[in-house]
Amino acid sequence: EAQVTQNPRYLITVTGKKLTVTCSQNMNHEYMSWYRQDPGLGLRQIYYSMNVEVTDKGDVPEGYKVSRKEKRNFPLILESPSPNQTSLYFCASSTLSGNIQYFGAGTRLSVL
Amino acid sequence: QQPVQSPQAVILREGEDAVINCSSSKALYSVHWYRQKHGEAPVFLMILLKGGEQKGHEKISASFNEKKQQSSLYLTASQLSYSGTYFCGTERAYNTDKLIFGTGTRLQVFP
Repeated sequence: EAQVTQNPRYLITVTGKKLTVTCSQNMNHEYMSWYRQDPGLGLRQIYYSMNVEVTDKGDVPEGYKVSRKEKRNFPLILESPSPNQTSLYFCASSTLSGNIQYFGAGTRLSVL
Repeated sequence: QQPVQSPQAVILREGEDAVINCSSSKALYSVHWYRQKHGEAPVFLMILLKGGEQKGHEKISASFNEKKQQSSLYLTASQLSYSGTYFCGTERAYNTDKLIFGTGTRLQVFP
């Protein structure tokens, strides 16, 4: 089954404790992206990757890191999380940036 | 720059129609529409390309006015299953670096 898998689905952590949210897709998609969703602000792009070893900043990259060492994986790293990073995070993939994006189920993060 | 969606929220009775608009201040190549049901991930509805025709999906269709950089999503004879938040995503050129989503329109359909 074609899917984008995010883990964990829910995470509660404390300020400053490094964390990683994993994202994996099995569709051999070149393009992968991370979004955060906050009430009233819609989906805002954090980082995206056009292919392996190619990543770039989206609209709200501060406080986040990503890597794309393999085509299927695109982890999101918060080196020192802060409460303003409490949000719902989605990973998405597609063949190209302008094609249909397939979203993961989401990760709800709370930073205390 | 994030596209602007209007209205922010819509409440309907089953069978009623609704229109959701998406406007950009920049020239667009394509507009995408997604629906997100409560507690779920966004799901693709349709893509409208510059120079393309109006698209349809069940009783949901959309148009794209390139000159005005606007797209409208039409929901006719709404069903309970149409409830959710609708997002438009805009792309300024073919296979550019990003798809920029709007702030969303929350649609609730009641029996």
